[in-house]
Amino acid sequence: DAMVIQNPRYQVTQFGKPVTLSCSQTLNHNVMYWYQQKSSQAPKLLFHYYDKDFNNEADTPDNFQSRRPNTSFCFLDIRSPGLGDAAMYLCATSREGRSYEQYFGPGTRLTVT
Amino acid sequence: AQSVTQPDIHITVSEGASLELRCNYSYGATPYLFWYVQSPGQGLQLLLKYFSGDTLVQGIKGFEAEFKRSQSSFNLRKPSVHWSDAAEYFCAVGATGGSYIPTFGRGTSLIVHP
Repeated sequence: DAMVIQNPRYQVTQFGKPVTLSCSQTLNHNVMYWYQQKSSQAPKLLFHYYDKDFNNEADTPDNFQSRRPNTSFCFLDIRSPGLGDAAMYLCATSREGRSYEQYFGPGTRLTVT
Repeated sequence: AQSVTQPDIHITVSEGASLELRCNYSYGATPYLFWYVQSPGQGLQLLLKYFSGDTLVQGIKGFEAEFKRSQSSFNLRKPSVHWSDAAEYFCAVGATGGSYIPTFGRGTSLIVHP
């Protein structure tokens, strides 16, 4: 089945130690998103790619970076995680012309110790 | 810019009872509207969507929603709730003439009592 896959599902990192979360998709969608979701809150968009064009939200901290080496893969890099970065990170995709319907991965739960 | 309000943070129902989750949006034209469900520790799954046409839309898992332009609402309903429906529900709105990035409501947590 076509899907959005996130690895790992659970990630524990130390304060200040860089961490990378990965997302892959078999849907061949041209738009990929990264969201941060904290407990009992709506997902907060960090950035998205429209094809290779990177779009950063204005309030996304510089500590968060992203890479999209090809259509199928997208990475979220947190350069120096703080305790406040502990959250669920959701990857989503959508296809241009499909009216913003998004397909989400299962998420990566990040713990910062 | 569009916005969406889910006025209920928590809703508690008994198993077998009917359910209605409220969603109100703000947008100058007819928007795209979505309901997503998120089970604990999982990603979001699309329940249903409204783009145009029939204002009553059917979704997965027995859910339906009705678009009411006069009330700027898109409430989610289910006639008989199952314990497995306990989850977080998010309404989202997309602007038909602008950014393709949907805006999410803050979510409603559904608690189902046996």
